[in-house]
Amino acid sequence: GENVEQHPSTLSVQEGDSAVIKCTYSDSASNYFPWYKQELGKRPQLIIDIRSNVGEKKDQRIAVTLNKTAKHFSLHITETQPEDSAVYFCAASSYSSASKIIFGSGTRLSIRP
Amino acid sequence: DTAVSQTPKYLVTQMGNDKSIKCEQNLGHDTMYWYKQDSKKFLKIMFSYNNKELIINETVPNRFSPKSPDKAHLNLHINSLELGDSAVYFCASSPGTSGGANTQYFGPGTRLTVL
Repeated sequence: GENVEQHPSTLSVQEGDSAVIKCTYSDSASNYFPWYKQELGKRPQLIIDIRSNVGEKKDQRIAVTLNKTAKHFSLHITETQPEDSAVYFCAASSYSSASKIIFGSGTRLSIRP
Repeated sequence: DTAVSQTPKYLVTQMGNDKSIKCEQNLGHDTMYWYKQDSKKFLKIMFSYNNKELIINETVPNRFSPKSPDKAHLNLHINSLELGDSAVYFCASSPGTSGGANTQYFGPGTRLTVL
């Protein structure tokens, strides 16, 4: 079955610097890769997603890249702000897994003032 | 205008009791899910229903029984609660199963504490 590994588990960056979170997946049939942000005590919420026919996608300070050959995808946050502090989850799903999404183990991002 | 709602938000109970969590979505989605998030924040899928039919049943103890009376509701009943059941349980919904682009819309979560 699909396995998604996420690194690092914790990340601390200075406000204004960039943060990068990396994930790898095992199922070559995976074709949809969402990223979720979970603030303390809140629900996970989708922040950006990418499909397998696209290599990069940007939304303001957030970008996601996908390398299908290497089965890697990454989240990039530029000009980090205090409100970016949260736990971030990558995930992967495929046609073959029906409606199942497999989540990575999460990255706790802290922004230092 | 709540999209995915869950009740109760907090649930504190004794070991051995039976409890239920309710979930409702008003997004018109076909698919609903239950996830368990433990203290280490791992998000683990438990069940998924598509149009009232069970399509995903992960290795969850038989004490957990989901029920979907219609596609807008998915409830979770837990028998004989154990200490290890303490976690946050999230309900979620997605538009459907086709295309693999099953974006999850999460409910606010139910924090279950078993004493």
